[in-house]
Amino acid sequence: GQSLEQPSEVTAVEGAIVQINCTYQTSGFYGLSWYQQHDGGAPTFLSYNALDGLEETGRFSSFLSRSDSYGYLLLQELQMKDSASYFCAVRSPADKLIFGTGTRLQVFP
Amino acid sequence: AAGVIQSPRHLIKEKRETATLKCYPIPRHDTVYWYQQGPGQDPQFLISFYEKMQSDKGSIPDRFSAQQFSDYHSELNMSSLELGDSALYFCASSPRTSGGRTGEQFFGPGTRLTVL
Repeated sequence: GQSLEQPSEVTAVEGAIVQINCTYQTSGFYGLSWYQQHDGGAPTFLSYNALDGLEETGRFSSFLSRSDSYGYLLLQELQMKDSASYFCAVRSPADKLIFGTGTRLQVFP
Repeated sequence: AAGVIQSPRHLIKEKRETATLKCYPIPRHDTVYWYQQGPGQDPQFLISFYEKMQSDKGSIPDRFSAQQFSDYHSELNMSSLELGDSALYFCASSPRTSGGRTGEQFFGPGTRLTVL
């Protein structure tokens, strides 16, 4: 089977740093993506790792270890607007996305 | 910048009725994907099209069918609707770049289908 596991919920305060982990077990792997989704909204792309290592995009960074089937999203200088659900997603050989269980991030003032 | 367009945004149907959801991908994007997201769930892949040909199929019920037309817009047809079909349906599109796929898909705003 295919599975991507994430913590269900994470809480933090404004200005803090938070890390959301993702472990995956899939048949076929081309890369790991991260998406943000606000309630009732569409998933929006944040970051993508095809190779091992760290990718940095502004306040967001993403890390991948293919040998460990593990990745994480790091959010720095948290803002209230970062309160949302975050999904890791494996990009399969046919380019479809297989989404993780999702992590709900709540940022408090 | 142009985004993925979906219509309608909201749809209410009775059990056993049919529904048609439409998607207009970003111009020059060659692949369209459909996802279903139930309340509190992660998006589940349904089906995709590359250059108007079906490229992959996920957990899509036999009651559902989809196609992509010559102008690249796509339609998801759902028949014999069931209460469990109530969900957000997202269409996404992606381009093929010189570096290959980047794992980025551009999602439309979704169609919220409610089956009563």
